[in-house]
Amino acid sequence: DIVVTQSPDSLAVSLGERATISCKSSQSVLYNSDNKNYLAWYQQRPGQPPQLLIYWASTRESGVPDRFSGSGSGTDFTLTISSLQAEDVAVYYCQQYYSTPRAFGQGTKVEIK
Amino acid sequence: QVQLVESGGGVVQPGRSLRLSCAASGFTFSTYPMHWVRQAPGKGLEWVAVTSADGRDKFYADSVKGRFTISRDNSKNTLYLQMNSLTTEDTAVYYCVREKPYNDYWGQGTLVTVSS
Repeated sequence: DIVVTQSPDSLAVSLGERATISCKSSQSVLYNSDNKNYLAWYQQRPGQPPQLLIYWASTRESGVPDRFSGSGSGTDFTLTISSLQAEDVAVYYCQQYYSTPRAFGQGTKVEIK
Repeated sequence: QVQLVESGGGVVQPGRSLRLSCAASGFTFSTYPMHWVRQAPGKGLEWVAVTSADGRDKFYADSVKGRFTISRDNSKNTLYLQMNSLTTEDTAVYYCVREKPYNDYWGQGTLVTVSS
């Protein structure tokens, strides 16, 4: 089974500053036949279900602000919020969809400093 | 627009059973694999189970294997989760989720509380 680990568990960032979250998988999630990384990022605001932000490691879902970006390949991935806004306070999860079980990272809580 | 509406949650005693439902609308339900994902109070997301679009293939997390059964009725656009031998560890909000193959749409969730 693939294990997915995020870091840090939480971070506090000033408004307008950059937030960076790391996600590491225990095995590569790069599928050679299509050269795609089977890794997604979700945002969960308090009291809400998760919402898809990024898929294929770096493709923004429709409607997601361009201050959110995803990068990485293989086993190491990063979610970056380039200029933190108040509405970005949430818990962020990465998930591999390369294989079942579809493991999630433990989550990273982003707060305003 | 895509809608996923879960129902069937509630308070149940340990060892008892419960069946969750998820009514889907706004898309061709029979062409998408579907998942259940749960979240214990104050905890992270835990993948529970998946069924293929035609319902023939099913996979489960080790934590629920042998106790939970995922199924679907494509004629009714409905996903199910039959939960047997419930324990307090199963207390969580259960989300119905569409696969694309990433999880692009999530329901609002239904709360299951296992308590004596």
